Amino acid sequence: AIQMTQSPSSLSASVGDRVTITCRASQDIRNDLGWYQEKPGKAPKVLIYASSNLPSGVPSRFSGSGFGTDFTLTISSLQPEDFATYYCLQDYSYPYTFGQGTKLEMK
Amino acid sequence: QGQLMESGGGVVQPGRSLRLSCTASELTFSDYGMHWVRQAPGKGLDWVAVIWSDGSEKHYADSVKGRFTISRDNSKNTLYLEMNSLRAEDTAVYYCARDFVVVKVAGHYNWLDLWGQGTLVTVSS
Repeated sequence: AIQMTQSPSSLSASVGDRVTITCRASQDIRNDLGWYQEKPGKAPKVLIYASSNLPSGVPSRFSGSGFGTDFTLTISSLQPEDFATYYCLQDYSYPYTFGQGTKLEMK
Repeated sequence: QGQLMESGGGVVQPGRSLRLSCTASELTFSDYGMHWVRQAPGKGLDWVAVIWSDGSEKHYADSVKGRFTISRDNSKNTLYLEMNSLRAEDTAVYYCARDFVVVKVAGHYNWLDLWGQGTLVTVSS
């Protein structure tokens, strides 16, 4: 199975900060990577698909980039509602695999 | 947009079985592949299994292969996860999620766009 290594595991930041989370795949996955946001007691929500595409309704402060093995999720200006846990998910091949998650906390 | 609702969770002894259901509403269930994803208490998301829209293909995480079976009944708009030989490490909230596909010039892309609220499975003696 493809291993997804996500970093950092936790991050402290303030409203208005620019934040970057990275994910590395154990093999080339082209751009078959999504980013998901999870909040306590709620179902996960997709933020990015195919490395850099935003589904309808996702705020433009979220962006993604990368191809092959290295990927990033960037939040350009943190908003209060963005404090959550973020996961990457490779959908290049089965079994799909998530990164370990990044918990974004308020500084 | 549609809704998904899981059911069937509960407390079960190690080695026993449990069947989860995920009922879809307000969407054309038979058009979509479906996934199960779980989250153990205090842990991250863990992909479990997928089934194609017509049930023709199924794939599993290595940790559940041979013990769990994903299936669906499109006439009932329902997805299932039959879990056998349960272990303590299977304790988790189990989510069903829809596989949404978009076709672009560069190819087709998919993501998990609609999730249920989850059902808790606790494996304990």
